[in-house]
Amino acid sequence: EAGVTQFPSHSVIEKGQTVTLRCDPISGHDNLYWYRRVMGKEIKFLLHFVKESKQDESGMPNNRFLAERTGGTYSTLKVQPAELEDSGVYFCASSQDRTGDLFEQYFGPGTRLTVT
Amino acid sequence: SQKIEQNSEALNIQEGKTATLTCNYTNYSPAYLQWYRQDPGRGPVFLLLIRENEKEKRKERLKVTFDTTLKQSLFHITASQPADSATYLCALPYSGAGSYQLTFGKGTKLSVIP
Repeated sequence: EAGVTQFPSHSVIEKGQTVTLRCDPISGHDNLYWYRRVMGKEIKFLLHFVKESKQDESGMPNNRFLAERTGGTYSTLKVQPAELEDSGVYFCASSQDRTGDLFEQYFGPGTRLTVT
Repeated sequence: SQKIEQNSEALNIQEGKTATLTCNYTNYSPAYLQWYRQDPGRGPVFLLLIRENEKEKRKERLKVTFDTTLKQSLFHITASQPADSATYLCALPYSGAGSYQLTFGKGTKLSVIP
């Protein structure tokens, strides 16, 4: 079974440019999460999709970040325009269900974003 | 706000010994707690989940305890091996607004010395 995949693995852009990160969750997983780790800090939640709907976007830092999940499958996270403080590693995770014992989240390898 | 503290940023132990990592939390009463392992350049990998009504949980050489009175979880790796070297993350679920986002600690980087 394929795991969570993310593209690109690394992106270097200049301040003011736009970047789009993509995440493909494990097939059949309705829940998709975005997290971010800024250097020296802990991994922090950004938002949560259930299928194509945003369930919780309380962690999104500001309106320069836009997340979408087309047809409840893959998701994109766009940063426009990028600022220096957006640099970090962006992780995507998916999980099958919130009930029962299926609470574990499966993480992708992350996209390292560097804004110069 | 919820806060998670993991006892140290780095822990070095000799191969064969037991590694003990600590996770303390405040301002929270979680229904469960999770431990993840993260290797360089990779995403976290789920290891164990322990519920609030469970005192202890084991999986092969791993053991987790959960003390809701002390607001603390201990993570043990027995008979440690160099392959156990990684960063270990404690995570709590935040069930607000119908979401099950995870709140992570900064992690403890474990190095097992041969």
